[in-house]
Amino acid sequence: QAVLTQPPSMSAAPGQKVTISCSGARSNIANNAVHWYQHLPGTAPKLLIYDDNKRPSGIPDRFSGSKSGPSATLGIAGLRTGDEADYYCATWDSSLRAGVFGGGTKLTVL
Amino acid sequence: EVQLVESGGGLVQPGGSLRLSCAASGFTFSNYVMSWVRQAPGKGLEWVSAITAGGENTNSADSVKGRFTISRDNSNYRLFLQMNSLRAEDTAVYYCAKGMNVVGSTPRLDYWGQGILVTVSS
Repeated sequence: QAVLTQPPSMSAAPGQKVTISCSGARSNIANNAVHWYQHLPGTAPKLLIYDDNKRPSGIPDRFSGSKSGPSATLGIAGLRTGDEADYYCATWDSSLRAGVFGGGTKLTVL
Repeated sequence: EVQLVESGGGLVQPGGSLRLSCAASGFTFSNYVMSWVRQAPGKGLEWVSAITAGGENTNSADSVKGRFTISRDNSNYRLFLQMNSLRAEDTAVYYCAKGMNVVGSTPRLDYWGQGILVTVSS
């Protein structure tokens, strides 16, 4: 059971916007930076958002991140079929003294 | 271009040992935290361990603490994961990943290898 809680799956139509939630606690999300990854099976995960809301170079502004208290959200606007992937949130847990990932959200664009 | 290439995976019996290696290139290896992350079949990503840029501090998940040891050779641009007392539940694809900072084990990982499969089975 993952420390951070994400919806197992979501779906939306091309062109729409989707928001993926990541729920944690004071020991992790509320007091540490949150990062988001996109993962296609058989490939290396890709960093989409770091430090709650920053985008690495090369990541389009369709991807956005936000945080409020113990919860974080990844937004993906203007959905494309190429956005179909698994999405993970991650952060540091100060109580566990360990990195933690969410269980992942499988996004379907149909 | 940043490249991370894992090696050393394979099939091992329960209770056995394996040493994973990650060859890094395209960046100044000694300036960054490095981590291992794994994904068991049909499961999500799991943070395994991290080591600071100079190698002086490490952190590991409770699930591997006391069995796995992360280390690095900054002279040769290599990251290692020594895995002992392996269990069936350690079966996973193991990824080597580069952090964005010198210290701190937060999973802020901007480059990842392609992963290497470790199978623990008799």
